[in-house]
Amino acid sequence: EVLLVQSGAEVRKTGESLKISCKISGYAFATYWIAWVRHMPGKGLEWMGTIFPADSDTRYSPSFKGQVIISADKSINTAYLQWNSLKASDTSIYYCARLSASSLFLIDYWGQGTLVTVSS
Amino acid sequence: SYLLTQPPSVSVAPGKTASIPCGGDNIGSKTVQWYQQNPGQPPVLVIYYDNKRPSGIPERFSGSTSGNTATLTISRVEVGDEADYYCQVWDSSSGQVVFGGGTKVTVL
Repeated sequence: EVLLVQSGAEVRKTGESLKISCKISGYAFATYWIAWVRHMPGKGLEWMGTIFPADSDTRYSPSFKGQVIISADKSINTAYLQWNSLKASDTSIYYCARLSASSLFLIDYWGQGTLVTVSS
Repeated sequence: SYLLTQPPSVSVAPGKTASIPCGGDNIGSKTVQWYQQNPGQPPVLVIYYDNKRPSGIPERFSGSTSGNTATLTISRVEVGDEADYYCQVWDSSSGQVVFGGGTKVTVL
């Protein structure tokens, strides 16, 4: 069974750093692209970027380039999303997701989501 | 950047047909996906490559594209179909993946 299990909810203050995780099981982690998707309260879904764990090839959407860092550790089948300096506007649910083998944009499995709350 | 436009809400009576449009420049030339999202849950893929259904998705869900509009159609709507629905494409010119703003389907 394919599972993407994300780390728990986080509460931080503006300016703090944070790294959330997405632990994968049930398939060969290194051979499928992983995407991160933001879902802000009351808003739509936003594609943040993707990573191919086999070689850490990472691609960011323009809106998120320089704002977050996407990484992966294939030795422990885990993908990460990281902020060096959080803003209140980073308050959101963040999903990791697996991209289908046949496509770089078709999501076939999702994590349960991680709620990040940033306050001043 | 490429934009996808969806109406914020669509209302439909049980047993009737819901049509959810997704507008985009020449969207008929792109491949469109549709995701269903219930409150507090991650999205679920209901249509991919314009009109293909993943296993486990009822035949009541169908997709089509033409010109500048893609449409998700839900036939014989059930109360359990109440959810937010998002269209998604890959824009080859920018290399970006784009989601529509989402449509909340309410079953009256």
